[in-house]
Amino acid sequence: DIQMTQSPSTLSASVGDTVTITCRASQRISNYLAWYQQRPGKAPKLLIYKASNLENGVPSRFSGSASGTEFTLTISSLQPDDFATYYCQQYNTDLFTFGQGTKLDIK
Amino acid sequence: EVRLVESGGGLVQSGGSLRLSCVGSGFSFSRYWMSWVRQAPGKGLEWVAKIKEDGSEKHYVDSVEGRFTVSRDNTKNSVFLHMSSLRDEDTAVYYCATLRGFSGNDCFDYWGQGAQVTVSS
Repeated sequence: DIQMTQSPSTLSASVGDTVTITCRASQRISNYLAWYQQRPGKAPKLLIYKASNLENGVPSRFSGSASGTEFTLTISSLQPDDFATYYCQQYNTDLFTFGQGTKLDIK
Repeated sequence: EVRLVESGGGLVQSGGSLRLSCVGSGFSFSRYWMSWVRQAPGKGLEWVAKIKEDGSEKHYVDSVEGRFTVSRDNTKNSVFLHMSSLRDEDTAVYYCATLRGFSGNDCFDYWGQGAQVTVSS
């Protein structure tokens, strides 16, 4: 199975900051990587698909990039609504796997 | 508007069985792969199972293989998760979700609100 290693596990930042979350795949996944945002008590929300494609309706301050087996989610100019937990997910194989999650909280 | 509504969750004894249901609306249900994802208390997301549009292909995470069965009824826009031989570690919120494209290998674009399953020993 493909393992997804996400870092950091927690991240403290302030409104207006730019932050980066990283996800590393244990093998090549051909950019079949998605990013989700989850607020407490709510279902996850798709932000980015195919590593760098912004889902409809998602603000442009969210962006994704890829380099080999390393993927990054960047959130620029943090807004209060952005403080949540973020997950990466690979879908290159029939068996999907998620990263462990990154909790972004207010400094 | 796309809606997914899960039901059937509850408290069950270890070794018992439970069936979750998910009804979809606002989209062409029979054209999409469907999936189940769970989240244990205070933990991250774990993909559980997925089923092809016509039900002819199914895949499971190793930890539920042989105990859980995913099925669907396109006439009722519904997908099901039959869970048996339940263990404490199956305690979680279970979400149904649609796969974004028309391939079995895609991300999840719509999610239900989740159904709580609690396994008590």
